Amino acid sequence: GENVEQHPSTLSVQEGDSAVIKCTYSDSASNYFPWYKQELGKRPQLIIDIRSNVGEKKDQRIAVTLNKTAKHFSLHITETQPEDSAVYFCAASSGGSNYKLTFGKGTLLTVNP
Amino acid sequence: GAGVSQSPRYKVTKRGQDVALRCDPISGHVSLYWYRQALGQGPEFLTYFNYEAQQDKSGLPNDRFSAERPEGSISTLTIQRTEQRDSAMYRCASSFAGGTYSGNTIYFGEGSWLTVV
Repeated sequence: GENVEQHPSTLSVQEGDSAVIKCTYSDSASNYFPWYKQELGKRPQLIIDIRSNVGEKKDQRIAVTLNKTAKHFSLHITETQPEDSAVYFCAASSGGSNYKLTFGKGTLLTVNP
Repeated sequence: GAGVSQSPRYKVTKRGQDVALRCDPISGHVSLYWYRQALGQGPEFLTYFNYEAQQDKSGLPNDRFSAERPEGSISTLTIQRTEQRDSAMYRCASSFAGGTYSGNTIYFGEGSWLTVV
């Protein structure tokens, strides 16, 4: 089955700096890669996603890049703000399936004012 | 409703008891998912429904776990003869239709915290 590795597990940045979180996946059949943000005690919420036919996608301060050959994808947050502090999860659609997501273990991002 | 609704939010049960967790998906969403999330981990897939049909139950840990969605709306996840290792957050999610095509966002509920003592 699909295996998703996520790094780093914790990340601390100063307000205004950029943050990068990286994930690798194992199944070359995976074709959908969402990123979820989970604030303490809250539900995971989708912040951005990318499909395998696209190399990069951007939404304001958030961008995701995908390298299919290397089977890795990354989340980039620019001009970080304290409200960006949360746990971020990457996920990949499990090979062959178009509905089952395999998640990474999460990255705790802390943005210091 | 406005979002995926789950109940109970918190459940403490004694080992060996059965528990039933309820999920009310977003109105109009035909696809429903159950995930389990342990502390400090990402959600782990359990099962998937398209309308009332359980299309994939490969993530259910063993035969003590079952799920149903008899009318294609509300779903119940049942755990029989609970064990301490079943303690976790159980999250329901829904999407407008099956598949991870563009725009078909999977929305998660607040979850049901299960503690087996």
